[in-house]
Amino acid sequence: DAGVIQSPRHEVTEMGQEVTLRCKPISGHDYLFWYRQTMMRGLELLIYFNNNVPIDDSGMPEDRFSAKMPNASFSTLKIQPSEPRDSAVYFCASRASDDQETQYFGPGTRLLVL
Amino acid sequence: SQKIEQNSEALNIQEGKTATLTCNYTNYSPAYLQWYRQDPGRGPVFLLLIRENEKEKRKERLKVTFDTTLKQSLFHITASQPADSATYLCAPARRDTGRRALTFGSGTRLQVQP
Repeated sequence: DAGVIQSPRHEVTEMGQEVTLRCKPISGHDYLFWYRQTMMRGLELLIYFNNNVPIDDSGMPEDRFSAKMPNASFSTLKIQPSEPRDSAVYFCASRASDDQETQYFGPGTRLLVL
Repeated sequence: SQKIEQNSEALNIQEGKTATLTCNYTNYSPAYLQWYRQDPGRGPVFLLLIRENEKEKRKERLKVTFDTTLKQSLFHITASQPADSATYLCAPARRDTGRRALTFGSGTRLQVQP
């Protein structure tokens, strides 16, 4: 299995631009999680989906952030408009089922907003 | 509010010694707790899970303990090797999400000297 796939791996953009991060979870996994990691705040959960349905988005920092999961094999995290404080590494993780608690993380997208 | 504390300072030990990392949590009653390893530029990788009714769990050179009275988990690496150098994250499960989501500590960086 290829594991969780994220793209792009690196993104540099200017303040005010729209940014879209992509994630392909492990096939057959029921859960998908989006995290953000910074030195100051550590690894924070932004939102998670169960069977493509958003369950908890209380970690999404502002309305500028939105996430979708149109099907079981694809999810996006969008920031519009982006700000310098959004600079971080964004991870996607998937989990097989309710009975399997392990989360499998992707390699992350390193975002720099200038 | 829920809080997880891990040693923010790096832990430096000599090869062959036992490394002990601490995770303390407050305002929490996690049903289980996980430990992850994170290498620079990579996503976290699952190591061990321990449930609230378990005192200790082992896997090869790794051992985790869970004291729900002290609200503490200890993570031990015996016969440490330079390849064990990484950041280790503890992650208690969140009951408010039906134990589906995790909250991650900020991590402890371990450096094993040859």
